[in-house]
Amino acid sequence: DIQLTQSPSFLSASVGDRVTITCRASQGINNYLAWYQQKPGKAPKLLIYGAFTLQSGVPSRFSGGGSETEFTLTISSLQPEDFATYYCQQLNSFFTFGGGTKVEIK
Amino acid sequence: EEQLVESGGGLVQPGGSLRLSCAASGFTLRSYWMHWVRQVPGKGLMWVARSKSDGSTSDHADSVKGRFTISRDNANKTLYLQMNSLRVEDTGVYYCARWGRVANGLDVWGQGTTVTVTS
Repeated sequence: DIQLTQSPSFLSASVGDRVTITCRASQGINNYLAWYQQKPGKAPKLLIYGAFTLQSGVPSRFSGGGSETEFTLTISSLQPEDFATYYCQQLNSFFTFGGGTKVEIK
Repeated sequence: EEQLVESGGGLVQPGGSLRLSCAASGFTLRSYWMHWVRQVPGKGLMWVARSKSDGSTSDHADSVKGRFTISRDNANKTLYLQMNSLRVEDTGVYYCARWGRVANGLDVWGQGTTVTVTS
């Protein structure tokens, strides 16, 4: 099974900060990676798929990068509505989610 | 509006059974692969199962294989998850979600239904 490790698990930041979350896969996943945002009491929301491609309607301050085993989600300028938990998901071999990164207000 | 609405969650004893339903509206269910995802309260997400668009193929996570069965009724626009031999560790919020045809990810999610397995 492919394992995904997200870091950090918790992040404290201010509005306007640039934030980067890392997702490491236990083996190469050919860029078959998606990122989701989840707010308390709500279902996850798809942000990025194919490691880089922004889902329709997602603000351009979100971007995805990386390849094979190491991927990043970057928020270029954190907005109040971005405080949430973020998950990566691999779809190279069935489906696995990372443990999540909670982004809180400093 | 494309929407998924889950139902069927509840309180059940270990060893018991539940059947979750997920009603789709605003899109053609038979055109999409569909998934179930579980979330333990305060914890992360775990993929549970998926069903091919025509229902001919399905896959289940190892931890639920042989106990849970995903199925669908495309005519009635409904996805199901039959859960048997439930365990305490099956407790959580169960989401149904649609796999995108353009977006390679889960692009539409329901609001979730809560399953609590306790004696």
